[in-house]
Amino acid sequence: GESVGLHLPTLSVQEGDNSIINCAYSNSASDYFIWYKQESGKGPQFIIDIRSNMDKRQGQRVTVLLNKTVKHLSLQIAATQPGDSAVYFCAAKGGGNKLVFGAGTILRVKS
Amino acid sequence: DAGVIQSPRHEVTEMGQEVTLRCKPISGHDYLFWYRQTMMRGLELLIYFNNNVPIDDSGMPEDRFSAKMPNASFSTLKIQPSEPRDSAVYFCASSLVGVGGYTFGSGTRLTVV
Repeated sequence: GESVGLHLPTLSVQEGDNSIINCAYSNSASDYFIWYKQESGKGPQFIIDIRSNMDKRQGQRVTVLLNKTVKHLSLQIAATQPGDSAVYFCAAKGGGNKLVFGAGTILRVKS
Repeated sequence: DAGVIQSPRHEVTEMGQEVTLRCKPISGHDYLFWYRQTMMRGLELLIYFNNNVPIDDSGMPEDRFSAKMPNASFSTLKIQPSEPRDSAVYFCASSLVGVGGYTFGSGTRLTVV
């Protein structure tokens, strides 16, 4: 029979443009959030994190924005490069040190 | 630091056989997690340990799955008997309480035929 899998959203961007990947979370008690990058054949790799007492945090070429009112998280990548092509996951922690992962977004960078 | 080390990288086994996946966490980390990743269900937490003690195994699919952590530097995930629907990539991750995110291993790709 036909298999049904997760239909991951795909974001295609031109090299050099900025990328914005969005994530919604459901647990209002979540107090810590992380963005991970997963390249083909590898495990998820930590990119950047943010605690619930902040609404913005910047890293090298990446910025995470947190809107607790609407339970929304976004990852902004500046000057996207081909090496940024991967699946990006947001994850939320709310008690017990347990991270719950979102379904992921595929980022494709066109040269 | 060598990071989280998982073995084997690939495992192909026949239905009904026992499979054992292994993980060495980062030295000094006090939490260890086992995740399963499939196209159907994404990343699912199976079980996690704190100081070698299982804390939450609510994600373990059924009794065929078991996990142990005999010491701070080693954990196993066992499937007995294995079934084709267990085919997935299994990740181990470790973390240090209060420090933030997890560090993942490279995963074990399991194929049950």
